[in-house]
Amino acid sequence: AQSVTQLDSHVSVSEGTPVLLRCNYSSSYSPSLFWYVQHPNKGLQLLLKYTSAATLVKGINGFEAEFKKSETSFHLTKPSAHMSDAAEYFCVVSYTGRRALTFGSGTRLQVQP
Amino acid sequence: DGGITQSPKYLFRKEGQNVTLSCEQNLNHDAMYWYRQDPGQGLRLIYYSQIVNDFQKGDIAEGYSVSREKKESFPLTVTSAQKNPTAFYLCASSMGGGTSDVNEQFFGPGTRLTVL
Repeated sequence: AQSVTQLDSHVSVSEGTPVLLRCNYSSSYSPSLFWYVQHPNKGLQLLLKYTSAATLVKGINGFEAEFKKSETSFHLTKPSAHMSDAAEYFCVVSYTGRRALTFGSGTRLQVQP
Repeated sequence: DGGITQSPKYLFRKEGQNVTLSCEQNLNHDAMYWYRQDPGQGLRLIYYSQIVNDFQKGDIAEGYSVSREKKESFPLTVTSAQKNPTAFYLCASSMGGGTSDVNEQFFGPGTRLTVL
C-alpha cells in the first residue's frame, strides 16, 4: 500500500536552533512530495513541493527539504527556528495515477524560548 | 481575494441529524476534495471531484454524501449513518488535469463538527 511515515509525532527545539522533521515514503516510480504546515484550528498551507526537478527544494519561511530516492526520504529542515514556526507539519505524497494526496500523521513542532 | 471558504467554522449536531458543510472556491479550479482530520492523525480523504457533476469516493466515504452542481461549490453532507462524525473537516481544491498530473492543493480554513 502507498504510505508516508513521519518518524516523530512531536519535536521540541529551542528558538534559534536547527529544525529537522523526518519523513519517509513508500517507493514509487515518480512520487510528488509536499510539506504542509497547519496552525491551530486553521487550514493547511503549502511550505514546499518536490516534483522531480532539483532534489533540494526551498520553501517559504526559510524551510527546505531534500529528496533522497535511495533512502525514500524527504526530510524538512530549517537552520534556525522561530517562535512562529510552532505548528503541525504534514508530509504528503502524491503517486502517479492517484489524484488525491496521502498524508502522514503529522509532527507537532514546539519552539521553546 | 482568491481562495477557499468553508462555513460554518463551528457546527454542532444532535445525533440522528444530517448536516451539510459548505465549501466554495473562486480559484477556477476543476478539482475539489473533502478531508477529515482527527486528533493525532493525518488527513483522510472522504470524497473528491475532478469535474462538475462527477465525484469519486475516497478512503472513508461511508456515512457521507456530496454534490458538484457548480464548479465553485462542493458541499459535504454528514448523514446520520456516520457513526463517529465529530472531527475537523477540510475542503481543498486544485487545478485540473489527468490522473498523472499532480497539482498543489489549496485548503480552506476548516469546519469543526461536534455531535452532542
